[in-house]
Order: sequence, then structure tokens, then C-alpha cells
Amino acid sequence: EAQVTQNPRYLITVTGKKLTVTCSQNMNHEYMSWYRQDPGLGLRQIYYSMNVEVTDKGDVPEGYKVSRKEKRNFPLILESPSPNQTSLYFCASSPGTVGEQYFGPGTRLTVT
Amino acid sequence: SQQGEEDPQALSIQEGENATMNCSYKTSINNLQWYRQNSGRGLVHLILIRSNEREKHSGRLRVTLDTSKKSSSLLITASRAADTASYFCLQGNEKLTFGTGTRLTIIP
Repeated sequence: EAQVTQNPRYLITVTGKKLTVTCSQNMNHEYMSWYRQDPGLGLRQIYYSMNVEVTDKGDVPEGYKVSRKEKRNFPLILESPSPNQTSLYFCASSPGTVGEQYFGPGTRLTVT
Repeated sequence: SQQGEEDPQALSIQEGENATMNCSYKTSINNLQWYRQNSGRGLVHLILIRSNEREKHSGRLRVTLDTSKKSSSLLITASRAADTASYFCLQGNEKLTFGTGTRLTIIP
């Protein structure tokens, strides 16, 4: 089944404790991206990747890192999480930027 | 921020009525897409309209695009309870930007 998977789905952590949210797609898509969703603000793009080893900042990259060492994986790294990074995170992939985006189920992160 | 605006922010209608929501954006586009999100779940693609198209249909959905006004509208006809969701427009080339969303409630 074609899909985008994210892990973990739920995470509660403390300020400053490094964490990684994984994202994987099995559709051989070139484009992958991360979003955060906050009430009243909709979804905002954090980082995107056009292909392996090619990543770029979205609208809200501060406090996040990403890497794209393999085509299928695009992990989101929070080196030192803070409470303002409490949010619902979505990973997405697509064959290119101009087509349908396929979304993962989301990761609800709480930083205390 | 290049985030688009959607209006209304929230819309409640009776089942069977039509629902219209609007999206405005700030930069030139190659295409614009609409997505649906049910209660905090992942987004589902509804329809894509290219910049050289003015109108597109898919089942009960009709999307229009006015590039001179940098705006698009999504019309859902003969609404059903299952249409209750949030709706977002998406635009961009490499960096993608969502609108702020419209929360649609269909009253049975």
C-alpha cells in the first residue's frame, strides 16, 4: 500500500531533550516536506527537500533540522525542543512540487 | 509570510445546502490545490487547478481560479454530514504555502 508513515504518533518530552520524528514514504517520491499545524495558524512548512541531499528552509525552520540521505526517509530533528514547538506535525511527499501531496497521519508533540 | 488567507474561517450550513469557501494568495502560481482535513488527521487531496484553467469540477466539487485577483474558490454542492471538515488551499512551486483554512460544519 502506497503510504507515508510517521513515528512516533504521539510524544511527550521535556525541554532540551533531543528528539527525532521519522518520516518514510514507499512511493519513490522526490519531494518531501514537513509542516506544523497550530490552532488559528493553519499548516506552515518547516523544511522541504527536492531530492536526496537537497533540503531547503520553509516558512518556520527555526529550531528544526532535517536530513535526506535516502530518497524514502526525511527525519525531522529537534536538537533542543522548547514548549513553543508543541504542535501537530505532518510529513508529506509527492512526485514533484506541482502535484498532489501525500500526507502522513501526523505526530502530536508536547514539550513541557 | 506568504501564507494565504481563507474565508470564512468557519461556516455552518444545513445538510443539502451548498458551501463556498475562498482562498487568496500572494505570489504567482503554477497551480493551486485544495485539501480536506478531518479533525486533526492527515490531509486528503481534493482537486488541483492549473494556472491556465479557470474552472474545474470533480463530483460535487467545483473550483474556480482567478489569477488576476489571486484568488480561488471551492464550492461543495448538496452538502452531506460527511463533508464536515476543515478545508485548505495550497499553493507554491518549491516552497509550499497553505491557506489558514475554513472549518465547515454540516448540520444534519
